[in-house]
Amino acid sequence: DTAVSQTPKYLVTQMGNDKSIKCEQNLGHDTMYWYKQDSKKFLKIMFSYNNKELIINETVPNRFSPKSPDKAHLNLHINSLELGDSAVYFCASSLRSLAGGPSDTQYFGPGTRLTVL
Amino acid sequence: GIQVEQSPPDLILQEGANSTLRCNFSDSVNNLQWFHQNPWGQLINLFYIPSGTKQNGRLSATTVATERYSLLYISSSQTTDSGVYFCAVEGGGTSYGKLTFGQGTILTVHP
Repeated sequence: DTAVSQTPKYLVTQMGNDKSIKCEQNLGHDTMYWYKQDSKKFLKIMFSYNNKELIINETVPNRFSPKSPDKAHLNLHINSLELGDSAVYFCASSLRSLAGGPSDTQYFGPGTRLTVL
Repeated sequence: GIQVEQSPPDLILQEGANSTLRCNFSDSVNNLQWFHQNPWGQLINLFYIPSGTKQNGRLSATTVATERYSLLYISSSQTTDSGVYFCAVEGGGTSYGKLTFGQGTILTVHP
């Protein structure tokens, strides 16, 4: 009964490769997010989708492309991987009603540790 | 954008001690959450608390929105409380759920 799941948990790859990380939530939430945690544990938002529509796109290289086939899934594809892309990537989701409030609570997946060699 | 500062950066406790972690933010917020990142890397949501006070077992949190700070209290700490505690806020206005995280407080609880 995992709420927010990510695959794979670990990803080790060579520079220049293309890779994808998948995220699924079974909470019935409308909004999903991708965050990046660097080696100093700093967490920063990358993207957000609401009902399959992109609503947040931070200053992320265009080698990163999110895709949301439906509101329960948000995948992250990374082209031409670089050493600096090594990090832990977290997916999150929230219900987010127009009224705000506790529905804005974000729930995080277990993370995907990406290592680029 | 909104700035978030947490203190102290590191905290070392003996089991059974109490502690207070602080989060200061630079602007009004729609959302404030406290997270615990355990040693296995999982981010666990502790509180959604843009204002007021909440308690959950040995943990409680208070946010004074008008003074732009939040406090997380841990009582009778246990070794399983070790990890990194993050405060994250969503600024007022149309932020669309963009959480800005503080740098975290690393808590180590010794037996």
